[in-house]
Amino acid sequence: GAVVSQHPSRVICKSGTSVKIECRSLDFQATTMFWYRQFPKQSLMLMATSNEGSKATYEQGVEKDKFLINHASLTLSTLTVTSAHPEDSSFYICSARPSASTSGEKLFFGSGTQLSVL
Amino acid sequence: AQTVTQSQPEMSVQEAETVTLSCTYDTSESDYYLFWYKQPPSRQMILVIRQEAYKQQNATENRFSVNFQKAAKSFSLKISDSQLGDAAMYFCACLMEYGNKLVFGAGTILRVKS
Repeated sequence: GAVVSQHPSRVICKSGTSVKIECRSLDFQATTMFWYRQFPKQSLMLMATSNEGSKATYEQGVEKDKFLINHASLTLSTLTVTSAHPEDSSFYICSARPSASTSGEKLFFGSGTQLSVL
Repeated sequence: AQTVTQSQPEMSVQEAETVTLSCTYDTSESDYYLFWYKQPPSRQMILVIRQEAYKQQNATENRFSVNFQKAAKSFSLKISDSQLGDAAMYFCACLMEYGNKLVFGAGTILRVKS
């Protein structure tokens, strides 16, 4: 089945540094990638939707300059948390939507990244 | 507003029994997709079942089935013959805006008693 590789799975960083999270579709091309944030025992909150070659669409309340999303190719999207602070500590998950689907919409999820900012 | 609502924070079911998880959604679109995902402690999202809004027939996957009521914007999940491995957080989700927005409900924690 289709695989989405999300890296790193866990990262600890100091306050003020930037962290980049990669989401890569390994065996399909992804037109659209979704980025989510999840707090413990809570839902997945959509942060932004990125389409290859165009600017990401951010949800209301999500700082564009804080959470930089790049979708430069059909197989790779990155989320960079700039100048991270402890309140940015969370679980981040990506989801990829294939460019072509012959059997309806399918979405594939990365395994998530636990970010801890000290 | 495009929202997905799960009104049951927690549910419990006896092993081998049947349980139904509720979900309602709000969208003005006529064509969209609905999903139920399972998230175990590993936090990997696992697709349970998927429904295309333009299909009237309810989707079924082995022990999992849905009751899709388009007019009522309701999409409930029925789990038959519950197993211990079914215990997890379950999320209802709606893919809308021509596939450009995937919104999740708050989730329901399902506990299975032996």
